[in-house]
Amino acid sequence: GESVGLHLPTLSVQEGDNSIINCAYSNSASDYFIWYKQESGKGPQFIIDIRSNMDKRQGQRVTVLLNKTVKHLSLQIAATQPGDSAVYFCAENGRGSTLGRLYFGRGTQLTVWP
Amino acid sequence: DGGITQSPKYLFRKEGQNVTLSCEQNLNHDAMYWYRQDPGQGLRLIYYSQIVNDFQKGDIAEGYSVSREKKESFPLTVTSAQKNPTAFYLCASKEDRIQYFGAGTRLSVL
Repeated sequence: GESVGLHLPTLSVQEGDNSIINCAYSNSASDYFIWYKQESGKGPQFIIDIRSNMDKRQGQRVTVLLNKTVKHLSLQIAATQPGDSAVYFCAENGRGSTLGRLYFGRGTQLTVWP
Repeated sequence: DGGITQSPKYLFRKEGQNVTLSCEQNLNHDAMYWYRQDPGQGLRLIYYSQIVNDFQKGDIAEGYSVSREKKESFPLTVTSAQKNPTAFYLCASKEDRIQYFGAGTRLSVL
C-alpha cells in the first residue's frame, strides 16, 4: 500500500524564522498532494495543495515544493508565528487507488518559541 | 454557517456497548469519510461513502459500521466488537480533491 512519511517528527523554531517541514512519499503514481495543519484537540485544517504537474505553489506565507524525482515534498512557512504551532500532515492521493482516498503521513509537530 | 459538525465532542463507552458518533454536513458534498487518529499517528481510514446509500470499507473497518441514508449525514457506530476503541475520530467531506474535516469526537472506554 501507499506510504507517506515525514523525515522529522518534531521541529522547533524561533518566532519570525522560516520553517521547513518535509515529507517523503512512496507511490510514484500519486498526482495530488495536500498539507494539513492540526491544532491540539481539533480537526485538520487545509493549508495548501499541489498537483504533480507543478513543482511549486505559493499561498499566504506558505510555499509547497514538490520534487517528483526523489518523491519528496516540503512545506515552507515564512515568518513563523506562535499561532503556527501545530502538527502538520502531508497526504497523497495515490493515483490508481480508490477514487477520493487520501493517504496521510504521521505528522510533524511544529513548536514556535517567542 | 456552513461546515461539518461532529457530536458529541467527548464520548464514553462501557464494555459491550455500541456507541454512535454523529457527522452532519451542510456543504452539499457527495463524498464523506471517517478516520481514526491515535496519539502520535496519522489518520487511518475506517469507512467512506461516495454517494447516498453506498459506502465502502477503509483500512480498519472491523468493529465499525456506518450508514448513508441522507446526503448530509454519515453516522459511525463503534460496536462491541471493536476491542480498542479509545481514539480521536474525525469525519470529513470532500469537494473536488480537498477533504474538509470536522472538529472530531474523542472516544474513551469506561
